[in-house]
Amino acid sequence: AQTVTQSQPEMSVQEAETVTLSCTYDTSESDYYLFWYKQPPSRQMILVIRQEAYKQQNATENRFSVNFQKAAKSFSLKISDSQLGDAAMYFCAYRSARRNDKIIFGKGTRLHILP
Amino acid sequence: GAVVSQHPSWVICKSGTSVKIECRSLDFQATTMFWYRQFPKQSLMLMATSNEGSKATYEQGVEKDKFLINHASLTLSTLTVTSAHPEDSSFYICSVIHPGRGTEAFFGQGTRLTVV
Repeated sequence: AQTVTQSQPEMSVQEAETVTLSCTYDTSESDYYLFWYKQPPSRQMILVIRQEAYKQQNATENRFSVNFQKAAKSFSLKISDSQLGDAAMYFCAYRSARRNDKIIFGKGTRLHILP
Repeated sequence: GAVVSQHPSWVICKSGTSVKIECRSLDFQATTMFWYRQFPKQSLMLMATSNEGSKATYEQGVEKDKFLINHASLTLSTLTVTSAHPEDSSFYICSVIHPGRGTEAFFGQGTRLTVV
């Protein structure tokens, strides 16, 4: 069975600084997707960034980028120039490339932005 | 705009009653929808996979007779919490994979259920 592990329950970063959230996963599959979701106090799940496992290039979305290490099964999220609006719960997630397969979430990391 | 609509966003019910939560895909058909449960300050735990026209697939430990799932059409799945008890109080979220955007899942707004 696939698992997703986030070892940092909480993190804090100064506004405008850079922070990295860690995530490791376990799977025997070769084709899958990885995601980082943000959940603000409204609890609406917001997709931050996604990575297809077959792509070697790390995904980037504006201030958000990932470090995808397939062999190590590691998928960290880097947030640059942190802003107050980035404060939220961040979930690392895995989904098999099989059609209509479920998403498996890590336990989450609560990110605090210090003004 | 929203891709998935979940209703109601919050509900309070008395112990012993049943509550129905709806999840609708907007402007697209979804043969599969997922139901998650989230306790305060915890992660999303998959409860079941809703399959249009067939029985739902429940995760281990989830009581199928308590959490009834019906996926009667390609745009609607419902989760009914039967004979609700205070321990069923939680945040319930549905998710759908858009067929045209296969890597991404879309989430409903969630339903906060409080059983008193």
